Amino acid sequence: GENVEQHPSTLSVQEGDSAVIKCTYSDSASNYFPWYKQELGKRPQLIIDIRSNVGEKKDQRIAVTLNKTAKHFSLHITETQPEDSAVYFCAAKNQGGKLIFGQGTELSVKP
Amino acid sequence: EPEVTQTPSHQVTQMGQEVILRCVPISNHLYFYWYRQILGQKVEFLVSFYNNEISEKSEIFDDQFSVERPDGSNFTLKIRSTKLEDSAMYFCASRDGQAAPNYGYTFGSGTRLTVV
Repeated sequence: GENVEQHPSTLSVQEGDSAVIKCTYSDSASNYFPWYKQELGKRPQLIIDIRSNVGEKKDQRIAVTLNKTAKHFSLHITETQPEDSAVYFCAAKNQGGKLIFGQGTELSVKP
Repeated sequence: EPEVTQTPSHQVTQMGQEVILRCVPISNHLYFYWYRQILGQKVEFLVSFYNNEISEKSEIFDDQFSVERPDGSNFTLKIRSTKLEDSAMYFCASRDGQAAPNYGYTFGSGTRLTVV
């Protein structure tokens, strides 16, 4: 069935370091891959996304890469700040429109 | 910026009771979704709704669940006889039929359901 695997489940970095979170998906028909940041008790907030016809996208300190052949995509955060601390979810959208989420990564940025 | 509105923000109910969670999607959106998130876990798809009918549902969405768009603006999720394991945050989402940007996918702020 459709599945998205996300690693690592927790990630602790020093302020200023980079953080990388990786996801793999199973449905080769998936065509849209958003990343969400979620703070405790709040809704997921879209931070960046990528479509299946693009290999890389960057927005200031955040970038996402997609390897369609290998069916994996990654989130890269550079120059991390304490306010980047949150749970991050990757997701893949199937042809029908639903999002399949990864298990989440709890990122902790230590000052 | 248009928002998806959910009410109530928090609902406490007795086990076995029926609950209705309400959502007002963005007005020109065509596709509607319910997701749930058990505390500390990932967001899980429940159901998608388009053109006044369910287009896809997960195995979580059993006979105890139903959805309705009664008046062209509200989109509701009903749980007929709540169980303790239904306790979760329920997110409504909607999107338009266009492909850009981000497929218009917008999440509501959620309803925290606590079954006691």
